[in-house]
Amino acid sequence: NAGVTQTPKFRVLKTGQSMTLLCAQDMNHEYMYWYRQDPGMGLRLIHYSVGEGTTAKGEVPDGYNVSRLKKQNFLLGLESAAPSQTSVYFCASRDDMRTGNTIYFGEGSWLTVV
Amino acid sequence: DQQVKQNSPSLSVQEGRISILNCDYTNSMFDYFLWYKKYPAEGPTFLISISSIKDKNEDGRFTVFLNKSAKHLSLHIVPSQPGDSAVYFCAASGSGGSNYKLTFGKGTLLTVNP
Repeated sequence: NAGVTQTPKFRVLKTGQSMTLLCAQDMNHEYMYWYRQDPGMGLRLIHYSVGEGTTAKGEVPDGYNVSRLKKQNFLLGLESAAPSQTSVYFCASRDDMRTGNTIYFGEGSWLTVV
Repeated sequence: DQQVKQNSPSLSVQEGRISILNCDYTNSMFDYFLWYKKYPAEGPTFLISISSIKDKNEDGRFTVFLNKSAKHLSLHIVPSQPGDSAVYFCAASGSGGSNYKLTFGKGTLLTVNP
């Protein structure tokens, strides 16, 4: 029972490099999310998806892109990493709104941009 | 503009006593509220939730109270245990078009001392 899986778990990038964080969920959930957590800032929504082939901006979308080509996967891309993107990234998913609002998180991806 | 506020960054209690974590919200469209618990180096995990049609929900040692007129909710943990030491996030979800995403507070670090 994997739930929500994020890869990689740790990564160090140089400023200007690009990378992609992969999120996979095996619960057949419609909704998927990417959050970032920074000290004193809580969890802030970057982008989200309400279904395969759809994406939308959250609170802090700048500098990130996302894709949801398959229902089970939600990719978060950094095209040109900046030190301000040093953070812990959490992917989450949930079933549709008729079955409750609980979302399930992955274990996090620690990204450092130097 | 913070819509979900947890004004206490930290709270320390003795084992066996009651822990009370508070959360305030400003958006009157929020109608579903959740508490998440987060240990270091792990993803947040769902703890308990409450719908706006209720004013109390209880699950074992955890009880959430909702005061809609004051736009305030609280999480009570009785009795507190050292294993409860974690960061607790309050989250809210809205009705209508905004019920697909959660807005989180900044979190409260609870330390339960043996």
